[in-house]
This record gives sequence, C-alpha cells and structure tokens, in this order.
Amino acid sequence: SQTIHQWPATLVQPVGSPLSLECTVEGTSNPNLYWYRQAAGRGLQLLFYSVGIGQISSEVPQNLSASRPQDRQFILSSKKLLLSDSGFYLCAWSNGMGQGHQPQHFGDGTRLSIL
Amino acid sequence: GENVEQHPSTLSVQEGDSAVIKCTYSDSASNYFPWYKQELGKGPQLIIDIRSNVGEKKDQRIAVTLNKTAKHFSLHITETQPEDSAVYFCAAPPGWYGNKLVFGAGTILRVKS
Repeated sequence: SQTIHQWPATLVQPVGSPLSLECTVEGTSNPNLYWYRQAAGRGLQLLFYSVGIGQISSEVPQNLSASRPQDRQFILSSKKLLLSDSGFYLCAWSNGMGQGHQPQHFGDGTRLSIL
Repeated sequence: GENVEQHPSTLSVQEGDSAVIKCTYSDSASNYFPWYKQELGKGPQLIIDIRSNVGEKKDQRIAVTLNKTAKHFSLHITETQPEDSAVYFCAAPPGWYGNKLVFGAGTILRVKS
C-alpha cells in the first residue's frame, strides 16, 4: 500500500532563517505531488504541484519554492522566512497514471511557527 | 476558475442524529467531488468521493449526493457518533481534466453525546 511521510512534524524558526520541509511517498511510481498551506485549521491553499521530476508549477507568488529531486520526493524551501509563512503545511500525492481526476492523499503535515 | 463554497461553517448535532454539509461549485465542467475529514493535528483523510456520472454514493453511514444541474453536492452522515467530530472539507477540480482540486473552507462538526 502507499504511504506518505512528512517531516518534521513541528518546527519553530526565527524570522529570516531558511526552511526545508521534506515529503516522501512510498508504494507508488510517478505520483503527482502537492504542497498546501492551511491557516488557522481551515481552508487549504495550493502552493505548488508537480507531475514529474523537476516539473514544478507554482500557484501563488510567495516567499517559498519547491523542488522534486527524485520521483517520490518533494521539498518545500525558503531562503528567508517571514512571519506570514507561519502555518500548517501539508503534502499530498495522487496517482499520476490514472484516468481522469484522482483522489489526493495527505500526509500529517508540518506545523511551522515563525518567531 | 473554480469557486467552491461550503455551508455551514459549523454544525452541532446530538449523537445519533444526522448531519448534512453542502457545497456548491462554479465550473460546470467539474466531474469529480471528494470529501475529506480532518482530525485535530492530522492531515485531511479522504472519506468518500463521487464522479459526475452518478447521483449518489453510499459507504455505511456516509453518503454523498450530486446535483449537476444546480452544481451542488452534499455529504450526509447518519447516526452520528462522537468520533465523527472533526473538520470536513469538500473539493472540486477546475475543469473536467487536470491534477488540481479547489477546496471549500471547511465545516466544523461537533457531535454532542
């Protein structure tokens, strides 16, 4: 069966520091991968998605970037964190080989607090 | 682009009663409608989904209905239990093809025992 892992679970960072959040998927090949941010426990905002290695689509202009160095690895980064980057970051995957829209499956997220 | 509205934002029911959450979408080409349940501190979990070629789908105490003409779909939970308490999200894709979902703002469901 497929599993998705995100780490760390919680992170406290000072303003201006760099960020690297990692997400990996097991048990599937060529998945679509997604990064979402969720503010105040409600509403999921799509930040980035990827349909293959090195292919990243950005949904909103922001202080963050994403990379996909391997088929089942998705990384969210920032060079300098802002207070507004605080939130709950969720990674998700869907079947990249299926016909039509495919369900997205989420990890358990990273709670990021900026001080 | 797709716009998904979800109502109500909060819902309190007595244990054993039914709960209904409704979503409307704007893109008439949308053809896939999932529902997610999110417990505190966890990621959303897919609980049921429906495609536009059917009007209703059931899985034990959970059902989803779809009205394509009115562009709305609803989640029905019967015989609610305290463990049903969570935040529920609906979603719809922008268009009939692609990889993205647009999520509703969520409904906090509280089941009182």
